[in-house]
Amino acid sequence: AQRVTQPEKLLSVFKGAPVELKCNYSYSGSPELFWYVQYSRQRLQLLLRHISRESIKGFTADLNKGETSFHLKKPFAQEEDSAMYYCALKAGGSNYKLTFGKGTLLTVNP
Amino acid sequence: DAGVIQSPRHEVTEMGQEVTLRCKPISGHNSLFWYRQTMMRGLELLIYFNNNVPIDDSGMPEDRFSAKMPNASFSTLKIQPSEPRDSAVYFCASTKDTSVEQYFGPGTRLTVT
Repeated sequence: AQRVTQPEKLLSVFKGAPVELKCNYSYSGSPELFWYVQYSRQRLQLLLRHISRESIKGFTADLNKGETSFHLKKPFAQEEDSAMYYCALKAGGSNYKLTFGKGTLLTVNP
Repeated sequence: DAGVIQSPRHEVTEMGQEVTLRCKPISGHNSLFWYRQTMMRGLELLIYFNNNVPIDDSGMPEDRFSAKMPNASFSTLKIQPSEPRDSAVYFCASTKDTSVEQYFGPGTRLTVT
């Protein structure tokens, strides 16, 4: 069975500081990894996926299969980045099931 | 498109009462998911429908929980009888088969006293 671990429930940084939200996974096959974000009073929405290798709102995430990690990074945090972030895994061969981590609440202080 | 619609947004009920949560997926989406979010367990998949058929209900906690999808534009999640430990935010999400992105509704915050 797959598992996603986000070790930090809360993360607080100052504006302009680098931020890294950690995500580790457990899965024996070839996974697809995602980051979802929920801003205050907004819906949970997809931020980025590892397959796209894209940068969204300055965030990037690299899949490290050796360390089974998919950490989310941004070099200079902004106050509007404050939100709840969820890492999610889709098992290879599954066309639907996402396994979510418990989430990390990021607060960016002015 | 208004996105995934859920009702009610908030529900407060007493233990033992029946609770029905409703979801309208995005038009054209053929997959629908019900999730439960709690502080302790995070976001858990309860049940997944594809083309109105339940495919995976392994996440449904127990017989008190049931879900239906009578047509492509409507689904319900029912809890009968409700218990205080059912208090959580329940999310509905939808997607197309060909898409990996799931689109979430605003959620229903359920409080069982």
